[in-house]
Amino acid sequence: KAGVTQTPRYLIKTRGQQVTLSCSPISGHRSVSWYQQTPGQGLQFLFEYFSETQRNKGNFPGRFSGRQFSNSRSEMNVSTLELGDSALYLCASSSQGAGTGELFFGEGSRLTVL
Amino acid sequence: QKEVEQNSGPLSVPEGAIASLNCTYSDRVSQSFFWYRQYSGKSPELIMSIYSNGDKEDGRFTAQLNKASQYVSLLIRDSQPSDSATYLCAVSKNNNDMRFGAGTRLTVKP
Repeated sequence: KAGVTQTPRYLIKTRGQQVTLSCSPISGHRSVSWYQQTPGQGLQFLFEYFSETQRNKGNFPGRFSGRQFSNSRSEMNVSTLELGDSALYLCASSSQGAGTGELFFGEGSRLTVL
Repeated sequence: QKEVEQNSGPLSVPEGAIASLNCTYSDRVSQSFFWYRQYSGKSPELIMSIYSNGDKEDGRFTAQLNKASQYVSLLIRDSQPSDSATYLCAVSKNNNDMRFGAGTRLTVKP
C-alpha cells in the first residue's frame, strides 16, 4: 500500500513569491490535514480537508490556503512569502478525519524563504 | 497559553531505565489523546492512543490520562537507544483537527 506522497521535497523561494505544495494521501483516505513544523513551535495545524471540503482551519493568516480534489489529492498554497514561512510542511492522511485516530504523514516539503 | 504543552527536553535516561514524558492541554472538551514518535529527519508516527482516564499499556509503552488534571503522560520501560527520538503529544476535541505539542526530545544512552 503506497504511503503519503508530498512534492516537492525541497524548494527555495524569495520573499514575496508564492508556493504550491502537493499531497497525495493513502488510497481510500478522504482526509488530508496540513501542518507547519518549525524548531521553536513544533507541529502547528494549518487546515483539514475531507471529501473536498475544508472542515477546520488553524490560526494562520489568509496567505495560507488549500484545496482538495475529487481524487483526495490536496494542495496548499502560500502567497506573498515571508522569511518566517521557512519550515517543514507536513501533510497527513486519515480514513475518517484528522482527529479520529492514526495520521499517516508524508515526508514533508521543506521550504526555505530567502 | 499553548493548547498542548510539553517540556522540550532534552530528556536523557540510561539504557534500561524508565523514561517519563509529560503533556498538559488547555481545552477541557478534548476527547482523544495520542503520542507520536518522530525520529530525526523523519515524519511522526503514532505509537499510542488513549481516550479514557487511567492507564493503557502496549508492550514497553504505557499512556496515562487524567482528564481532571488535563494531563497525559507516556512511560517507556526498559528504554533502548532506539527509543531516542522526539515524542509529540497530540490532542483532539473533534473529528477534524489534531493539535500537537512542540515535542520532547528523548536520548537513551547505552
